[in-house]
Amino acid sequence: KQEVTQIPAALSVPEGENLVLNCSFTDSAIYNLQWFRQDPGKGLTSLLLIQSSQREQTSGRLNASLDKSSGRSTLYIAASQPGDSATYLCAVRPYGNNRLAFGKGNQVVVIP
Amino acid sequence: EAGVTQSPTHLIKTRGQQVTLRCSPISGHTSVYWYQQALGLGLQFLLWYDEGEERNRGNFPPRFSGRQFPNYSSELNVNALELEDSALYLCASSLGRYQETQYFGPGTRLLVL
Repeated sequence: KQEVTQIPAALSVPEGENLVLNCSFTDSAIYNLQWFRQDPGKGLTSLLLIQSSQREQTSGRLNASLDKSSGRSTLYIAASQPGDSATYLCAVRPYGNNRLAFGKGNQVVVIP
Repeated sequence: EAGVTQSPTHLIKTRGQQVTLRCSPISGHTSVYWYQQALGLGLQFLLWYDEGEERNRGNFPPRFSGRQFPNYSSELNVNALELEDSALYLCASSLGRYQETQYFGPGTRLLVL
């Protein structure tokens, strides 16, 4: 069974600092990995999707890397802003399966 | 283009009751997924429907069921509600069963008293 772990569970950073969020998964047989953002009590917003054949994806201040063999992904958020405060969720899609396996999230607070 | 919509937004029920949650996928999407996000447990996969058929089911008891209609909208039914069913229920849709990206709705928050 695929297990997805996100560390740290919660973190606070001052505005302007770079954020580094980690995700690890136990089974490397994945089709892709996706990072989501969730605001309190809301649904999920997709941030980045990395195919298993890719090493990284970038969108604006966000960069996500994937090391499938070691079962790790990292989400970098450059020059954090208070509006980046949210919970960030990592999800993997196993081969031959459409059901996403989620981590419990990194709860981020950016202090102005 | 309208996103995934869910109704109702909030719901309060008592133990033993039954509840129906509704989801409308993005226009043109044929696959609908249901997830449960209970406090402290993270997001858990519930059900996947595609082209009107149940394609996959998560590790939930049979009192969790659903269906998909010809217009690809979907319902999630939960019978004999228990306190631990209190959660945010998220629906997602994708363009087809082989499409990677799932787009999520805002969720229905269910409180069971």
